Amino acid sequence: SQTIHQWPATLVQPVGSPLSLECTVEGTSNPNLYWYRQAAGRGLQLLFYSVGIGQISSEVPQNLSASRPQDRQFILSSKKLLLSDSGFYLCAWSGEPANYGYTFGSGTRLTVV
Amino acid sequence: DAKTTQPNSMESNEEEPVHLPCNHSTISGTDYIHWYRQLPSQGPEYVIHGLTSNVNNRMASLAIAEDRKSSTLILHRATLRDAAVYYCILSPSQAGTALIFGKGTTLSVSS
Repeated sequence: SQTIHQWPATLVQPVGSPLSLECTVEGTSNPNLYWYRQAAGRGLQLLFYSVGIGQISSEVPQNLSASRPQDRQFILSSKKLLLSDSGFYLCAWSGEPANYGYTFGSGTRLTVV
Repeated sequence: DAKTTQPNSMESNEEEPVHLPCNHSTISGTDYIHWYRQLPSQGPEYVIHGLTSNVNNRMASLAIAEDRKSSTLILHRATLRDAAVYYCILSPSQAGTALIFGKGTTLSVSS
C-alpha cells in the first residue's frame, strides 16, 4: 500500500534561518507531488507541484523553493525564513490509477519567531 | 480553474443525514468533482470523487446533478468525528493535476 511520510511534525525556527522539510512516498512510482501551505485560519494554498524528477512548478512567488532529487522525494526549502512563512505545511501525492485520489501527509507546523 | 461555491458553515445532529451542497455552474465537460475533508490540525482526507454518475463509497455518497452544475455530498449518518471542513473541488483530472482548495464548508455535529 502507498504511504506518505512528512517530517518534522513541528518546527520552531528563528527569522533568517534556513528551512528544509522533507516528504517521501512509498509504494508507488512516478507520483505527482505537491506542497501546500495553510496559514492560521486560512485556506490551503498550493505552493509547488512536481510531475517528475527535477520538474518543479511554482504557483506563488515567495521565499520558498522546492526540489525533487529522487522519484519519491520532495523537499521544501528556504534560505532565510520570514515571519510570514509560519504555517502548516502539507505534502501530497497523486497518481494512477486515479481511484487513489490525492493523499496528504500529516503536515509540519512551522513557527517562525 | 472552474470555481465552486459552498456555504461557509452547516450544522447537524449526530446520527442524522447531512447534505453538503456545492455549486459549480462553470464546470467543463471534463472536470471531475472531488470532495475532501480536513479535521483540525490534520491534512485533508479524500472523501469521494465523480464525473457524471452518482458515486457511493464507505464514507459517503456523491449526488451529481444531471446538468453537472451542482453536486451534493451526503453523509448518511453523521458522527462527531465527521466535524470538519469539507471542500468541493473541480479538477480536469482524477489525479494528474494539482487540487486548488477554496474555503469549504465547516460542518459542526452536535450530540
